[in-house]
Amino acid sequence: GQQVMQIPQYQHVQEGEDFTTYCNSSTTLSNIQWYKQRPGGHPVFLIQLVKSGEVKKQKRLTFQFGEAKKNSSLHITATQTTDVGTYFCAATSSNTGKLIFGQGTTLQVKP
Amino acid sequence: DVKVTQSSRYLVKRTGEKVFLECVQDMDHENMFWYRQDPGLGLRLIYFSYDVKMKEKGDIPEGYSVSREKKERFSLILESASTNQTSMYLCASSLLFRGYEQYFGPGTRLTVT
Repeated sequence: GQQVMQIPQYQHVQEGEDFTTYCNSSTTLSNIQWYKQRPGGHPVFLIQLVKSGEVKKQKRLTFQFGEAKKNSSLHITATQTTDVGTYFCAATSSNTGKLIFGQGTTLQVKP
Repeated sequence: DVKVTQSSRYLVKRTGEKVFLECVQDMDHENMFWYRQDPGLGLRLIYFSYDVKMKEKGDIPEGYSVSREKKERFSLILESASTNQTSMYLCASSLLFRGYEQYFGPGTRLTVT
């Protein structure tokens, strides 16, 4: 079935450094969603990308959808301790319509 | 704001027990979902429901069943709990099915001993 691979699994950064997580699929995706889960919390929706090459920004967060709609990235500029958590990408399966989640990237930020 | 609540944050059960996890949403959403979350595996879909009394299997339905008698409530049932069902269980809801954001509950951490 359709799979979404997310890398890296873990990332430790110094506060102020940048961070990027990547999401890849072997098949074309109709859309990609990004969620953030704080430690001890539940996933919270951040954004959805639909168009090829789409770029959206939320303050220090930049989300990109690849031109071929097979990959996506989330980039955080100048990380802060409040950015700590696990970031998930999720794509809608073209066959079933179900949301397929990547494995997540857990970000640790050292103050 | 959408609110999704789950009946328990922590639950400890014995092997072989029947376990009920309850989820309630207050935004009249058509669709509800049950996931389990395990380290390194992300979120895996157990079952979902797109209408009252309607249900569909997700990717890992074995050992689980569900019930949706009312629109706002979706229950996950472990017929005979086993230790490999120790996990975090997350309920979610969405307005429509395809391509819509999902709202998650706080999760139930289930330990089966």
